[in-house]
Amino acid sequence: SQTIHQWPATLVQPVGSPLSLECTVEGTSNPNLYWYRQAAGRGLQLLFYSVGIGQISSEVPQNLSASRPQDRQFILSSKKLLLSDSGFYLCAWSAQGEQFFGPGTRLTVL
Amino acid sequence: RKEVEQDPGPFNVPEGATVAFNCTYSNSASQSFFWYRQDCRKEPKLLMSVYSSGNEDGRFTAQLNRASQYISLLIRDSKLSDSATYLCVVTRDYKLSFGAGTTVTVRA
Repeated sequence: SQTIHQWPATLVQPVGSPLSLECTVEGTSNPNLYWYRQAAGRGLQLLFYSVGIGQISSEVPQNLSASRPQDRQFILSSKKLLLSDSGFYLCAWSAQGEQFFGPGTRLTVL
Repeated sequence: RKEVEQDPGPFNVPEGATVAFNCTYSNSASQSFFWYRQDCRKEPKLLMSVYSSGNEDGRFTAQLNRASQYISLLIRDSKLSDSATYLCVVTRDYKLSFGAGTTVTVRA
């Protein structure tokens, strides 16, 4: 069966610091992968999606970037965090239209 | 206009009651439709897919109206464990669009 891992589970970072969140998927090959952010009390906002290694599509302009160095690895990064980057970051993979989410990383930028 | 809109609620209902709520979507080219459930501070999990003919999964019934571009979810015989936020999701190509969610609280 497929599993999706994210780490860390929680993170507190100062404004201006770098960020690296990692997501890995097991039990499937060539998945479509996604990064979402959910701000407090709001819906999920799609940040990036990837249909293959090295293929990244960005949905919204921001100071975040994503990379897919391996088939089942998806990384979300920032060089300098902003206060507005605080939120719940969710990685997901999809099959036949359904999406399966990782446990998420709760990021607080102070 | 948002791609997917939902009444945020909250819907506060007693155990055993029936609760129903809708979601509207703006893109007529949307291809697939789902309801997800999200518990507090957890990731969303798929509750059920929504088919044009309507479908049931136990106490949950989902309907899709393509002409009016809305999706509904009905929960019968509510349980305390049904308390959650329900997210409406529509897909087109690789991308899913999520509503902000409808919060349901079932009280004893």
